[in-house]
Amino acid sequence: GNSVTQMEGPVTLSEEAFLTINCTYTATGYPSLFWYVQYPGEGLQLLLKATKADDKGSNKGFEATYRKETTSFHLEKGSVQVSDSAVYFCALLLRGSYIPTFGRGTSLIVHP
Amino acid sequence: NAGVMQNPRHLVRRRGQEARLRCSPMKGHSHVYWYRQLPEEGLKFMVYLQKENIIDESGMPKERFSAEFPKEGPSILRIQQVVRGDSAAYFCASSPGAETEAFFGQGTRLTVV
Repeated sequence: GNSVTQMEGPVTLSEEAFLTINCTYTATGYPSLFWYVQYPGEGLQLLLKATKADDKGSNKGFEATYRKETTSFHLEKGSVQVSDSAVYFCALLLRGSYIPTFGRGTSLIVHP
Repeated sequence: NAGVMQNPRHLVRRRGQEARLRCSPMKGHSHVYWYRQLPEEGLKFMVYLQKENIIDESGMPKERFSAEFPKEGPSILRIQQVVRGDSAAYFCASSPGAETEAFFGQGTRLTVV
């Protein structure tokens, strides 16, 4: 089956630290990959996406590269801010499929 | 273009009552998904609907839960005879078709007392 595995949280960082949240996937085909962010009390918002191998998605200083050889889509940011504190979800969507599969989410806490 | 609209944002029900959660997808989107999020857990897929049809309900409990997406009006997730374990955040998402990202609403937080 298809699945997404994210690193356990919470991830706790100081402001301006480097962020990596790991995401690996298993899929029967060639998926599109996504990162969503959920701020406290809110719904999920699409942060970035990549649709094929070696694509890099980027938005608001966050980046993730679609690595087919390692089946990974790790989220990175060079310098986090307190306002980045949220839960981050990695997701995949197979070609021809309608239903995204989500990881369990990783909570990020950034201290001033 | 308004986003996915869910209402109510917060819903409190006593055990045994019915809960009705509404979702209006984004304009032009005919695919609707419902997910449940329990505290400290991830998103669990419940059901996927297109207009007037349930396409996949593999994540929906067999009893007490039902969903519809009528030709006119919002999608409705209905929970009959609620129990404390139904307390969760319920998210609706919509998309225009296959292989496109889903856009989420802000959720309905159901509390059963």
